[in-house]
Amino acid sequence: AQSVTQLGSHVSVSEGALVLLRCNYSSSVPPYLFWYVQYPNQGLQLLLKYTSAATLVKGINGFEAEFKKSETSFHLTKPSAHMSDAAEYFCAVSGFLKTSYDKVIFGPGTSLSVIP
Amino acid sequence: DGGITQSPKYLFRKEGQNVTLSCEQNLNHDAMYWYRQDPGQGLRLIYYSQIVNDFQKGDIAEGYSVSREKKESFPLTVTSAQKNPTAFYLCASSRGQGANEKLFFGSGTQLSVL
Repeated sequence: AQSVTQLGSHVSVSEGALVLLRCNYSSSVPPYLFWYVQYPNQGLQLLLKYTSAATLVKGINGFEAEFKKSETSFHLTKPSAHMSDAAEYFCAVSGFLKTSYDKVIFGPGTSLSVIP
Repeated sequence: DGGITQSPKYLFRKEGQNVTLSCEQNLNHDAMYWYRQDPGQGLRLIYYSQIVNDFQKGDIAEGYSVSREKKESFPLTVTSAQKNPTAFYLCASSRGQGANEKLFFGSGTQLSVL
């Protein structure tokens, strides 16, 4: 079965420090890849998505992610963390199934804390 | 503003009771979804609908039921057969059903058992 792993269920960074959230997927087929963010007691919103146009994808709020096929990874980064970045981050993949509906598979999430 | 509205925000269920979670969208999206979120497990798909009057089971449909009588509405019923219903429930929609479609989410309903 296809799966998505996110290394580290909780990550803490200092304000102004680099944010690195890891995502790996299991597939031999290049999928579509997404990062979603969830603020407390809210739904998810899309940060960015990879659709094969470019391996480095820029998203909202200064986040970007790089697709590395050889490593089956899609890590999320931000050069300088802000207090408002504290949230839960989910990596998601789709494109495994060539059917009329292709299910989105979500990773377990990484909770990001930003220390003042 | 267009979006997805879920209600209520908090819901309590008594043993043996069925409860219904509301989801309404004004984005004119064809596809709608229900996810269940448990801490540390990500999101799991309960049901999805690609078009009015049609829906399919997701990965964890047992104990749940849905209807899609209108394009805008996709209510979820948590039946008494669902023995562990305590979770955060998220409704989502997408313009189409392609693999690269962005999902739009509501703000969720927290269901707890009394």
